Amino acid sequence: EVVLTQSPGTLSLSPGEGATLSCRPSQSVSSTSLAWYQQKPGQAPRLLIYGTSSRATGIPDRFSGSGSGTDFTLTISRLEPEDFAVYYCQRYDSSPRAFGQGTKVEIK
Amino acid sequence: EVQLLESGGGSVQPGGSLRLSCAASGFTFSAFPMAWVRQAPGKGLEWVSAISGDGSDTPCADSVQGRFTISRDNSKNTLYLQMNSLRAEDTALYYCAKALMAAPRCYDSWGQGTLVTVSS
Repeated sequence: EVVLTQSPGTLSLSPGEGATLSCRPSQSVSSTSLAWYQQKPGQAPRLLIYGTSSRATGIPDRFSGSGSGTDFTLTISRLEPEDFAVYYCQRYDSSPRAFGQGTKVEIK
Repeated sequence: EVQLLESGGGSVQPGGSLRLSCAASGFTFSAFPMAWVRQAPGKGLEWVSAISGDGSDTPCADSVQGRFTISRDNSKNTLYLQMNSLRAEDTALYYCAKALMAAPRCYDSWGQGTLVTVSS
Protein backbone atom coordinates (compact mmCIF):
# COMPACT_ATOMS: atom_id res chain seq x y z
CA GLU A 1 0.00 0.00 0.00
CA VAL A 2 1.30 3.44 -0.97
CA VAL A 3 1.83 5.80 1.96
CA LEU A 4 1.89 9.54 1.33
CA THR A 5 4.16 11.46 3.70
CA GLN A 6 3.61 15.20 3.94
CA SER A 7 6.11 17.65 5.35
CA PRO A 8 6.45 19.72 7.32
CA GLY A 9 3.73 18.82 9.80
CA THR A 10 3.22 22.48 10.60
CA LEU A 11 4.36 25.58 8.74
CA SER A 12 4.34 28.88 10.65
CA LEU A 13 4.31 31.83 8.27
CA SER A 14 3.09 35.41 8.00
CA PRO A 15 0.57 36.73 5.48
CA GLY A 16 2.35 37.71 2.27
CA GLU A 17 5.03 35.04 2.63
CA GLY A 18 5.31 32.06 0.32
CA ALA A 19 4.65 28.47 1.38
CA THR A 20 6.08 25.23 0.04
CA LEU A 21 4.39 21.98 1.06
CA SER A 22 5.80 18.55 0.24
CA CYS A 23 4.10 15.24 -0.47
CA ARG A 24 6.24 12.13 -0.91
CA PRO A 25 4.55 8.86 -1.87
CA SER A 26 6.31 5.66 -0.80
CA GLN A 27 5.98 4.39 -4.38
CA SER A 28 5.85 6.25 -7.64
CA VAL A 29 2.49 7.87 -8.38
CA SER A 30 1.36 8.89 -11.83
CA SER A 31 1.54 12.65 -12.26
CA THR A 32 -1.99 12.55 -13.65
CA SER A 33 -3.23 11.20 -10.32
CA LEU A 34 -2.08 13.50 -7.52
CA ALA A 35 -4.42 16.04 -5.92
CA TRP A 36 -4.26 18.65 -3.17
CA TYR A 37 -7.08 19.72 -0.86
CA GLN A 38 -7.51 22.52 1.64
CA GLN A 39 -9.51 22.12 4.83
CA LYS A 40 -10.44 24.84 7.28
CA PRO A 41 -11.73 24.13 10.80
CA GLY A 42 -15.32 22.95 10.80
CA GLN A 43 -15.47 22.78 7.02
CA ALA A 44 -15.36 20.06 4.42
CA PRO A 45 -12.23 19.72 2.29
CA ARG A 46 -11.95 21.75 -0.89
CA LEU A 47 -10.19 20.53 -4.02
CA LEU A 48 -7.34 22.85 -5.01
CA ILE A 49 -5.20 20.96 -7.52
CA TYR A 50 -5.66 17.78 -9.54
CA GLY A 51 -3.38 16.01 -11.98
CA THR A 52 -0.38 17.44 -10.06
CA SER A 53 -0.72 20.94 -11.50
CA SER A 54 -4.25 21.71 -12.73
CA ARG A 55 -6.16 24.17 -10.60
CA ALA A 56 -9.75 23.30 -9.77
CA THR A 57 -12.53 25.72 -10.66
CA GLY A 58 -12.29 29.00 -8.79
CA ILE A 59 -8.88 28.38 -7.25
CA PRO A 60 -6.66 31.49 -7.38
CA ASP A 61 -3.41 31.34 -9.30
CA ARG A 62 -1.31 31.86 -6.18
CA PHE A 63 -1.81 28.11 -5.70
CA SER A 64 0.35 25.91 -7.91
CA GLY A 65 1.36 22.28 -7.95
CA SER A 66 4.34 20.46 -9.38
CA GLY A 67 6.29 17.26 -9.16
CA SER A 68 6.40 13.69 -10.35
CA GLY A 69 6.98 10.14 -9.18
CA THR A 70 7.71 10.28 -5.47
CA ASP A 71 8.11 14.01 -4.98
CA PHE A 72 5.25 16.49 -5.26
CA THR A 73 4.91 20.08 -4.12
CA LEU A 74 2.11 22.54 -3.45
CA THR A 75 3.26 26.15 -3.57
CA ILE A 76 1.30 29.14 -2.29
CA SER A 77 3.02 32.18 -3.69
CA ARG A 78 1.77 34.83 -1.24
CA LEU A 79 -0.29 33.75 1.72
CA GLU A 80 -3.62 35.47 2.16
CA PRO A 81 -5.39 35.38 5.56
CA GLU A 82 -7.88 32.83 4.21
CA ASP A 83 -5.09 30.41 3.21
CA PHE A 84 -4.25 29.41 6.78
CA ALA A 85 -5.63 25.89 6.92
CA VAL A 86 -4.65 22.22 6.68
CA TYR A 87 -3.57 20.86 3.31
CA TYR A 88 -3.79 17.23 2.20
CA CYS A 89 -2.37 15.47 -0.82
CA GLN A 90 -4.13 12.45 -2.32
CA ARG A 91 -3.12 9.83 -4.84
CA TYR A 92 -5.88 8.45 -7.02
CA ASP A 93 -4.20 6.32 -9.66
CA SER A 94 -5.33 3.15 -7.90
CA SER A 95 -7.03 1.96 -4.74
CA PRO A 96 -6.75 2.75 -1.91
CA ARG A 97 -6.94 6.40 -2.93
CA ALA A 98 -4.90 7.42 0.07
CA PHE A 99 -4.47 10.84 1.60
CA GLY A 100 -1.36 12.19 3.25
CA GLN A 101 -1.51 13.04 6.94
CA GLY A 102 -1.75 16.77 6.27
CA THR A 103 0.31 19.94 6.67
CA LYS A 104 -1.06 22.72 8.83
CA VAL A 105 -0.24 26.23 7.66
CA GLU A 106 -0.60 28.52 10.66
CA ILE A 107 -0.16 32.22 11.23
CA LYS A 108 3.20 33.08 12.74
CA GLU B 1 -25.39 24.24 -7.66
CA VAL B 2 -24.12 20.88 -6.44
CA GLN B 3 -25.54 19.86 -3.08
CA LEU B 4 -24.67 16.76 -1.09
CA LEU B 5 -26.58 16.10 2.11
CA GLU B 6 -25.49 13.23 4.32
CA SER B 7 -27.71 11.61 6.92
CA GLY B 8 -27.93 8.46 9.00
CA GLY B 9 -25.11 9.04 11.45
CA GLY B 10 -25.51 8.53 15.17
CA SER B 11 -24.31 6.59 18.17
CA VAL B 12 -24.04 2.81 18.02
CA GLN B 13 -22.48 0.10 20.14
CA PRO B 14 -19.49 -1.91 18.91
CA GLY B 15 -20.65 -4.66 16.62
CA GLY B 16 -23.68 -2.67 15.52
CA SER B 17 -24.76 -1.40 12.12
CA LEU B 18 -25.68 1.88 10.49
CA ARG B 19 -26.62 2.94 6.99
CA LEU B 20 -25.51 6.35 5.81
CA SER B 21 -27.24 8.16 2.97
CA CYS B 22 -26.16 11.05 0.79
CA ALA B 23 -28.84 12.90 -1.18
CA ALA B 24 -27.39 14.58 -4.24
CA SER B 25 -28.77 17.42 -6.35
CA GLY B 26 -27.62 19.99 -8.86
CA PHE B 27 -25.88 17.58 -11.26
CA THR B 28 -26.52 14.44 -13.28
CA PHE B 29 -25.94 11.99 -10.46
CA SER B 30 -25.62 8.85 -12.57
CA ALA B 31 -22.79 10.36 -14.62
CA PHE B 32 -20.39 10.77 -11.72
CA PRO B 33 -18.45 8.39 -9.52
CA MET B 34 -18.96 9.08 -5.84
CA ALA B 35 -17.09 8.29 -2.65
CA TRP B 36 -17.15 8.22 1.13
CA VAL B 37 -14.26 9.79 3.01
CA ARG B 38 -14.05 9.87 6.80
CA GLN B 39 -12.25 11.93 9.38
CA ALA B 40 -11.78 10.78 12.96
CA PRO B 41 -11.95 13.56 15.57
CA GLY B 42 -8.83 15.72 15.32
CA LYS B 43 -7.31 13.47 12.66
CA GLY B 44 -6.72 13.54 8.91
CA LEU B 45 -8.78 12.35 5.97
CA GLU B 46 -9.22 8.65 5.24
CA TRP B 47 -10.65 7.41 1.95
CA VAL B 48 -13.26 4.72 2.69
CA SER B 49 -14.86 3.60 -0.55
CA ALA B 50 -15.87 4.74 -4.01
CA ILE B 51 -18.42 3.72 -6.62
CA SER B 52 -18.59 4.18 -10.36
CA GLY B 53 -21.52 5.95 -11.98
CA ASP B 54 -23.29 2.72 -12.84
CA GLY B 55 -22.41 1.05 -9.54
CA SER B 56 -20.37 -1.72 -11.11
CA ASP B 57 -17.00 -0.80 -9.55
CA THR B 58 -16.78 -0.43 -5.77
CA PRO B 59 -13.25 -0.36 -4.37
CA CYS B 60 -12.78 0.14 -0.65
CA ALA B 61 -10.08 0.58 1.96
CA ASP B 62 -8.59 -2.48 3.63
CA SER B 63 -9.76 -1.15 7.00
CA VAL B 64 -13.44 -1.56 6.03
CA GLN B 65 -13.21 -4.48 3.59
CA GLY B 66 -15.89 -7.06 4.38
CA ARG B 67 -17.72 -4.75 6.79
CA PHE B 68 -18.79 -1.69 4.76
CA THR B 69 -20.65 -1.72 1.45
CA ILE B 70 -21.10 1.27 -0.82
CA SER B 71 -24.08 1.44 -3.18
CA ARG B 72 -26.14 3.95 -5.09
CA ASP B 73 -29.67 4.39 -6.37
CA ASN B 74 -29.46 6.54 -9.48
CA SER B 75 -33.26 6.78 -9.68
CA LYS B 76 -33.23 8.48 -6.27
CA ASN B 77 -29.97 10.42 -6.70
CA THR B 78 -28.75 8.86 -3.48
CA LEU B 79 -25.48 7.31 -2.34
CA TYR B 80 -25.35 4.84 0.54
CA LEU B 81 -22.83 3.32 2.91
CA GLN B 82 -23.93 0.22 4.81
CA MET B 83 -21.69 -0.20 7.83
CA ASN B 84 -21.72 -3.48 9.74
CA SER B 85 -19.60 -4.86 12.60
CA LEU B 86 -18.74 -1.34 13.66
CA ARG B 87 -15.65 -0.76 15.79
CA ALA B 88 -14.54 2.09 18.01
CA GLU B 89 -11.99 3.07 15.36
CA ASP B 90 -14.82 3.69 12.88
CA THR B 91 -15.83 6.74 14.93
CA ALA B 92 -15.55 9.66 12.53
CA LEU B 93 -17.27 12.33 10.50
CA TYR B 94 -18.27 10.66 7.23
CA TYR B 95 -18.23 12.83 4.12
CA CYS B 96 -19.94 12.08 0.84
CA ALA B 97 -17.93 13.37 -2.14
CA LYS B 98 -18.55 13.78 -5.86
CA ALA B 99 -15.86 12.99 -8.41
CA LEU B 100 -14.41 15.59 -10.71
CA MET B 101 -15.38 14.95 -14.33
CA ALA B 102 -11.86 15.68 -15.60
CA ALA B 103 -10.28 13.37 -13.03
CA PRO B 104 -12.92 10.88 -11.88
CA ARG B 105 -11.08 9.64 -8.84
CA CYS B 106 -10.57 12.92 -7.03
CA TYR B 107 -13.37 14.90 -5.48
CA ASP B 108 -14.55 18.41 -6.26
CA SER B 109 -17.70 18.63 -4.15
CA TRP B 110 -18.22 17.47 -0.58
CA GLY B 111 -21.11 17.36 1.84
CA GLN B 112 -20.86 18.66 5.39
CA GLY B 113 -20.62 15.18 6.85
CA THR B 114 -22.55 12.97 9.24
CA LEU B 115 -21.04 11.91 12.55
CA VAL B 116 -20.77 8.26 13.51
CA THR B 117 -19.86 7.41 17.10
CA VAL B 118 -19.12 3.82 18.06
CA SER B 119 -19.00 3.38 21.81
CA SER B 120 -20.30 1.11 24.53
